[in-house]
Amino acid sequence: AQSVTQLDSQVPVFEEAPVELRCNYSSSVSVYLFWYVQYPNQGLQLLLKYLSGSTLVKGINGFEAEFNKSQTSFHLRKPSVHISDTAEYFCAVSDQGAQKLVFGQGTRLTINP
Amino acid sequence: ETGVTQTPRHLVMGMTNKKSLKCEQHLGHNAMYWYKQSAKKPLELMFVYNFKEQTENNSVPSRFSPECPNSSHLFLHLHTLQPEDSALYLCASSQDRDRHSPLHFGNGTRLTVT
Repeated sequence: AQSVTQLDSQVPVFEEAPVELRCNYSSSVSVYLFWYVQYPNQGLQLLLKYLSGSTLVKGINGFEAEFNKSQTSFHLRKPSVHISDTAEYFCAVSDQGAQKLVFGQGTRLTINP
Repeated sequence: ETGVTQTPRHLVMGMTNKKSLKCEQHLGHNAMYWYKQSAKKPLELMFVYNFKEQTENNSVPSRFSPECPNSSHLFLHLHTLQPEDSALYLCASSQDRDRHSPLHFGNGTRLTVT
């Protein structure tokens, strides 16, 4: 079965600094990868997804992620964060369809002024 | 603004109560899901419905009973819950179970069992 590891449970950064949130998954077979964001008191919202093609995927709010098959990683990056990016970020992977989507434990991103 | 609406937003119930959570999606999707989100744990998939038929039940205790009368509505009936069932319950939908379909989530129901 698939598993997803988000290596950092919390990441504090200063406003306008770059950030990377790390995600590794277990399987090397064909996978579909997602990043979701959860703002306080809300549900999860899709940030970006990798299905096939270019390994660099651009999402909403200036975020991007790079699929690295050899390292089974899908790290999320943003070159300059804003206070409004404060949220919890979830990496998810599926190799069998939406109903088999497996989520990581989440990384809480805190932006300090 | 979300295309998936959950009510109520907050619910406090005693262990002997019976209550229901409601979810409605306005996206024309065919698959609907219930997830449980507890502190410091990954999201747990509870149930999946595809075209109104239940296709997944992840060993959920019988005190949780789902109902899907049509592709737009999903309910979670609750009875004789335990304090450890306190959590955020999230409803989601997708075009279908196909791997290319991302999930669209509601804002959740924060459940507290006393």
